[in-house]
Amino acid sequence: DIVMTQGALPNPVPSGESVSITCRSSKSLLYSDGKTYLNWYLQRPGQSPQLLIYWMSTRASGVSDRFSGSGSGTDFTLKISGVEAEDVGVYYCQQGLEFPYTFGAGTKLELK
Amino acid sequence: QVTLKESGPGILQPSQTLSLTCTFSGFSLSTYGMGVGWIRQPSGKGLEWLANIWWDDDKYYNPSLKNRLTISKDTSNNQAFLKITNVDTADTATYYCARITTEGGDAWGQGASVTVSS
Repeated sequence: DIVMTQGALPNPVPSGESVSITCRSSKSLLYSDGKTYLNWYLQRPGQSPQLLIYWMSTRASGVSDRFSGSGSGTDFTLKISGVEAEDVGVYYCQQGLEFPYTFGAGTKLELK
Repeated sequence: QVTLKESGPGILQPSQTLSLTCTFSGFSLSTYGMGVGWIRQPSGKGLEWLANIWWDDDKYYNPSLKNRLTISKDTSNNQAFLKITNVDTADTATYYCARITTEGGDAWGQGASVTVSS
């Protein structure tokens, strides 16, 4: 299985600050079609996960442009520009290259 | 608008079979590229992807559950199903279904809580 490893945040984060969440995969997620199959989700407290970013850098429908994804084949970053109260929760990266799809352990964002 | 809702037994005993239903609207599982995935999350822990079923009836299972999983669909009634045999306390979790495409799980249900206890 592909192992996904996420970094931590220096919680709590002051409102309005920009933060970056890192994720690394044990295998390149770049496929022959030119797409990188790395997704980012946010799970707010008590809610289901919500897709934020797919194909490493494409924002899902309705997602604020404060969220941006970048990276290479194995190292990825989710940047949140100007953290707001609604951004609090746990962020997960997930590889969709091969089954079983796997998630990182999650990165918790707390607001100061 | 895409919506999904999971339903299940709530509580069951060790060694029983867990049967889950995902009832969805806003898309069809007969449409090219559409799929439904099942994901679970023990309380306070991370996410584990269990199984996928696609529009063409292609199926994928997480090998960590060692042949205990069966996924199926009823396209005409907009439902997908997951069965897990021989459950034990480690299967206690919230079970989610999600619509999946090559763009990931873009819509999730609210989750169904399942407790395995004697």
